[in-house]
Amino acid sequence: SQELEQSPQSLIVQEGKNLTINCTSSKTLYGLYWYKQKYGEGLIFLMMLQKGGEEKSHEKITAKLDEKKQQSSLHITASQPSHAGIYLCGADGPGKGSGNTGKLIFGQGTTLQVKP
Amino acid sequence: KAGVTQTPRYLIKTRGQQVTLSCSPISGHRSVSWYQQTPGQGLQFLFEYFSETQRNKGNFPGRFSGRQFSNSRSEMNVSTLELGDSALYLCASSLETGTFGNTIYFGEGSWLTVV
Repeated sequence: SQELEQSPQSLIVQEGKNLTINCTSSKTLYGLYWYKQKYGEGLIFLMMLQKGGEEKSHEKITAKLDEKKQQSSLHITASQPSHAGIYLCGADGPGKGSGNTGKLIFGQGTTLQVKP
Repeated sequence: KAGVTQTPRYLIKTRGQQVTLSCSPISGHRSVSWYQQTPGQGLQFLFEYFSETQRNKGNFPGRFSGRQFSNSRSEMNVSTLELGDSALYLCASSLETGTFGNTIYFGEGSWLTVV
């Protein structure tokens, strides 16, 4: 059963615009991962969040985990064509707090297109 | 430092055949996980190995199996291939398992087409 919901499913933005992708779980998240994927290729690790209220940034991408640890957002500032791809959130067994394993549950992904 | 390496990248097999995919984790990583990605089902966990032992298993039939060697390299095998096994198979590695703060890195994947 799907335990992580991503929204929106797809997004088309003009280059230079900001955008936000959300990832929501019905259970507490212990270890939330964000990845980017180009179609047919592997997943590129972006960030991992664990603590409620945690926020991490890398270049123009910022990810946050809310205080309740049930929702995460990925924000891209001043989008560029290089940001295009599929963004996936993954979590280690939502509701399980016994340490992180390699068994991740993923959202369905958000496809981002950036128009030059 | 080399990333997660998967071989082969692309392969075509006939229904009923079997296939073996290989994964070399990042140096020093002892946990290896396998995932299947399809347009309909998305990314689904197959199994995880740590120190040559299967630690977690997903909801896949027994035709899917795997193993890990003493150098942490892993292989997965699919026997009696079905058309529905056509997918991108992804391998991921991390330093440990069962601890907090584990960063998980993925390889480029192996594209399997069953005809």
